[in-house]
Amino acid sequence: GENVEQHPSTLSVQEGDSAVIKCTYSDSASNYFPWYKQELGKGPQLIIDIRSNVGEKKDQRIAVTLNKTAKHFSLHITETQPEDSAVYFCAASRDYKLSFGAGTTVTVRA
Amino acid sequence: AAGVIQSPRHLIKEKRETATLKCYPIPRHDTVYWYQQGPGQDPQFLISFYEKMQSDKGSIPDRFSAQQFSDYHSELNMSSLELGDSALYFCASSPLETSEKYNEQFFGPGTRLTVL
Repeated sequence: GENVEQHPSTLSVQEGDSAVIKCTYSDSASNYFPWYKQELGKGPQLIIDIRSNVGEKKDQRIAVTLNKTAKHFSLHITETQPEDSAVYFCAASRDYKLSFGAGTTVTVRA
Repeated sequence: AAGVIQSPRHLIKEKRETATLKCYPIPRHDTVYWYQQGPGQDPQFLISFYEKMQSDKGSIPDRFSAQQFSDYHSELNMSSLELGDSALYFCASSPLETSEKYNEQFFGPGTRLTVL
């Protein structure tokens, strides 16, 4: 099955700085890569996704890049704000079911 | 915008009891997924349904079963509960197969199950 590795496990950044989270996947047939933000006691919230036919996608302060050859993808958050503090999960999918990374706890220091 | 609804939000059961979790997908979503998330862990896929038929199965114990009904809501039935079943259970739904966003999954708020 699919194996997704995510780094780092924790990330502390100063407000206004950028945050980068990286993931690798094992199944070359995976074709959909979403990112989720999970706040304490809540369900994962889809914040951005990318499909295998695209190399980069941006939505305001959030961007995702995909390197199919190397089988890795990254989340970039610019101009971080305190409300960006949460656990972020990457995931990969080939047959609809999602395989998640272990998560990154992001803390934005004011 | 309407979101995925899950009930109950919290459930406390004793060992060996049974539990039923319910999920109401976003309107016009026909695919439902169930995930289990242990403390400090990532969500683990359990089972999914498309158009009321089981479409995929993950690490779901034989003690658990699920189904999707004609109105697309789904129920996860858990029997002979064990202490290790204590976790957050999430339901997610996806738009119609014909939608260009067919594989986007939108998660509900979850049901926190505690087995004593």
